[in-house]
Amino acid sequence: DTGVSQDPRHKITKRGQNVTFRCDPISEHNRLYWYRQTLGQGPEFLTYFQNEAQLEKSRLLSDRFSAERPKGSFSTLEIQRTEQGDSAMYLCASSLAASRETQYFGPGTRLLVL
Amino acid sequence: SQKIEQNSEALNIQEGKTATLTCNYTNYSPAYLQWYRQDPGRGPVFLLLIRENEKEKRKERLKVTFDTTLKQSLFHITASQPADSATYLCALDPNQGGKLIFGQGTELSVKP
Repeated sequence: DTGVSQDPRHKITKRGQNVTFRCDPISEHNRLYWYRQTLGQGPEFLTYFQNEAQLEKSRLLSDRFSAERPKGSFSTLEIQRTEQGDSAMYLCASSLAASRETQYFGPGTRLLVL
Repeated sequence: SQKIEQNSEALNIQEGKTATLTCNYTNYSPAYLQWYRQDPGRGPVFLLLIRENEKEKRKERLKVTFDTTLKQSLFHITASQPADSATYLCALDPNQGGKLIFGQGTELSVKP
């Protein structure tokens, strides 16, 4: 499968714990995006990278959230000191910068914070 | 304030009929607008993109219109099938930088 992959698909954690999610984009795509989606809502933009550079972060991305894309390939999203309000689906998408209109989404990581 | 809104109520139609979904936006001037399909527990899948200078775009049984005066896009599925049942999301990219803003989605259910 040459699509966007995310790992893990599901994560249950206790409040206060740290979690890390991984996204592997389509191999030739230089843009990588993170979104968060809660039940009954559309995805909300969190941040995006072009190659290894993080170009924009949403105000939704508090200090407890950090994202990296160290070699311009896969990316990780870490949430420190998780809160119940962090429970959501975390979606990763990728695109070519030259044709950034079309983003290809992964299956998402569903996080439940107890 | 800037908003993008879709029918919040689920749309239930009979197989073979045409489904029409609405996307309205305020205080944006997008160069293009997109429609995605999302199945439960899955990520969105891109369907169609329509640019501001295009009134209508078609792809198989799908048709999208874009009225920049009304600030509205309509998404039609003709000859609908139960397999079309899903949530449909509209999205725009206000700054053409790739940061998508999504509506809340409309759930479509097609009954046999």
